[in-house]
Amino acid sequence: NAGVMQNPRHLVRRRGQEARLRCSPMKGHSHVYWYRQLPEEGLKFMVYLQKENIIDESGMPKERFSAEFPKEGPSILRIQQVVRGDSAAYFCASSPDGGYGEKLFFGSGTQLSVL
Amino acid sequence: SQQGEEDPQALSIQEGENATMNCSYKTSINNLQWYRQNSGRGLVHLILIRSNEREKHSGRLRVTLDTSKKSSSLLITASRAADTASYFCATDVNRDDKIIFGKGTRLHILP
Repeated sequence: NAGVMQNPRHLVRRRGQEARLRCSPMKGHSHVYWYRQLPEEGLKFMVYLQKENIIDESGMPKERFSAEFPKEGPSILRIQQVVRGDSAAYFCASSPDGGYGEKLFFGSGTQLSVL
Repeated sequence: SQQGEEDPQALSIQEGENATMNCSYKTSINNLQWYRQNSGRGLVHLILIRSNEREKHSGRLRVTLDTSKKSSSLLITASRAADTASYFCATDVNRDDKIIFGKGTRLHILP
């Protein structure tokens, strides 16, 4: 049973380009969380999704950022017109049922560097 | 906004000693979890303690929870070099599904 898979592991973009980060949850998991981490800091919640639904996007910037988790395929975090401040590690986590008392299984992250 | 706040931010101890990290949070919770992160890696779940529990053990880990003080502690006994990592507490806020992490404690075990 493969763990949470994130790709790419490293992504380099120039300012103004688009970044697409992919996350395949563990088999049987229907809940996905995205977090952002700056060096030497904790994880900042961005968005919580179930299949085809956004449950909580209170941590997502209002502009340029979007996330989806379609019925088929991986969850995608999309950042349009990237700026240098978007450079960070982005982690995806999944859980089988979500909500109270569920431990999260994390991927290895995508390190986004904006030049 | 951050829900949990770990203390200290950084901790260095000799191998074999015990390491204690604390976490304080702001609002009512259902559960509190501790995770470990090795440099450049994703987080790994260590232990979960429910709001009606006061103490929980797992191997060399001991977690306590004081809901009246809104705080938790993680004790690692007989530390090893492999315990060098960052440790985060995470809470699921009451009546809310998202799980919020603190800023973490960076633990360094000296040989």
